[in-house]
Amino acid sequence: NAGVTQTPKFQVLKTGQSMTLQCAQDMNHEYMSWYRQDPGMGLRLIHYSVGAGITDQGEVPNGYNVSRSTTEDFPLRLLSAAPSQTSVYFCASAPLASGAYEQYFGPGTRLTVT
Amino acid sequence: AQSVTQLGSHVSVSEGALVLLRCNYSSSVPPYLFWYVQYPNQGLQLLLKYTSAATLVKGINGFEAEFKKSETSFHLTKPSAHMSDAAEYFCAVSDTGSGGGADGLTFGKGTHLIIQP
Repeated sequence: NAGVTQTPKFQVLKTGQSMTLQCAQDMNHEYMSWYRQDPGMGLRLIHYSVGAGITDQGEVPNGYNVSRSTTEDFPLRLLSAAPSQTSVYFCASAPLASGAYEQYFGPGTRLTVT
Repeated sequence: AQSVTQLGSHVSVSEGALVLLRCNYSSSVPPYLFWYVQYPNQGLQLLLKYTSAATLVKGINGFEAEFKKSETSFHLTKPSAHMSDAAEYFCAVSDTGSGGGADGLTFGKGTHLIIQP
């Protein structure tokens, strides 16, 4: 049972480039989410999903897209990277039976945009 | 809207001393409250949670927290600090009234716990 996995661990992009951060979970959790962590800001919710085919915006969705084609995977896409998107990104999942309250986090992806 | 305030971005205690990390929340409905710990270069790990059962909640690694509705607080404590407790600690709230909390957790800005030998 690997839990929540994220790839890559580190990434450097140039302004304007696109990329996809991968997130997968093997706990059959319906709920998945993406957060970004910035110094002194805590974690802020970007997008979330309560099941395959269902996604919604969080607190800071601009510049990011998501899709949920399977229960296991929840990729985060940056279409045109900007320096303001330099951050550490965490994916999390939770069983909806718990009300999506207790979330399990991946190890994070550290992204730098130059 | 819900929010979380963690008092003190850095807290320093001596090894063996009491650890007290403060968290106050605001929520329009009864909240669910969490403490997470983040060790350097790692993801977040759940320490403990309050989900409207007992107000004194015990977690892993000897930590506990008490929910005080009158003070809108959920402070984290540990009687005796250990060097391995050095980490970033986050308090988080989930609004029980918003469709089962599916819109995610609202986090505080974090408190960096430093343990002095």
